[in-house]
Amino acid sequence: GDSVTQMEGPVTLSEEAFLTINCTYTATGYPSLFWYVQYPGEGLQLLLKATKADDKGSNKGFEATYRKETTSFHLEKGSVQVSDSAVYFCALRISGTYKYIFGTGTRLKVLA
Amino acid sequence: GAVVSQHPSWVICKSGTSVKIECRSLDFQATTMFWYRQFPKQSLMLMATSNEGSKATYEQGVEKDKFLINHASLTLSTLTVTSAHPEDSSFYICSAWGQGANEKLFFGSGTQLSVL
Repeated sequence: GDSVTQMEGPVTLSEEAFLTINCTYTATGYPSLFWYVQYPGEGLQLLLKATKADDKGSNKGFEATYRKETTSFHLEKGSVQVSDSAVYFCALRISGTYKYIFGTGTRLKVLA
Repeated sequence: GAVVSQHPSWVICKSGTSVKIECRSLDFQATTMFWYRQFPKQSLMLMATSNEGSKATYEQGVEKDKFLINHASLTLSTLTVTSAHPEDSSFYICSAWGQGANEKLFFGSGTQLSVL
């Protein structure tokens, strides 16, 4: 079945460091791919998305490229801030449905 | 932006009692809402899809008699965990599908249920 695998955390970085959180997926058809972020005490918020191969989603300095050949959607940011500390979820939406499948989440902690 | 309110944020109950969790879309109408469950260090697992005015569609392995879902209005869906047991302790999250200009998935902040 369809699935999402993302790197286990926690990831601890110093402020201004480069961030990569790996995400790979297995799916039939042509899923849309998403990154969601959950700040402490809040619900999941959409961070960025890509709906087809080679699309790049970007928001707030984060970006991820839909790579069909490697079935990946890695999240990157060039310079993280303390305020980026949160849990990040990679997800796919099964094509033609409202059904989302989530990864396990990766906790990011950025130190000043 | 569109907001989904989930209440309560945490609840502790005795084994055998029932617990109701509410999920409200505050500034948009949600014909479709979803309920997820998350165990520590695991993915969000979809439990059921709730459509306003009709019966919920449950995922395989989810007991519909234990997890009662009601979606009586376009802004409210409820999940009732009936005769709760310690193994039902988990983090429950709702989400709502916004239509039109808000067409995407909005999440509540989740409910941590602990059954003693």
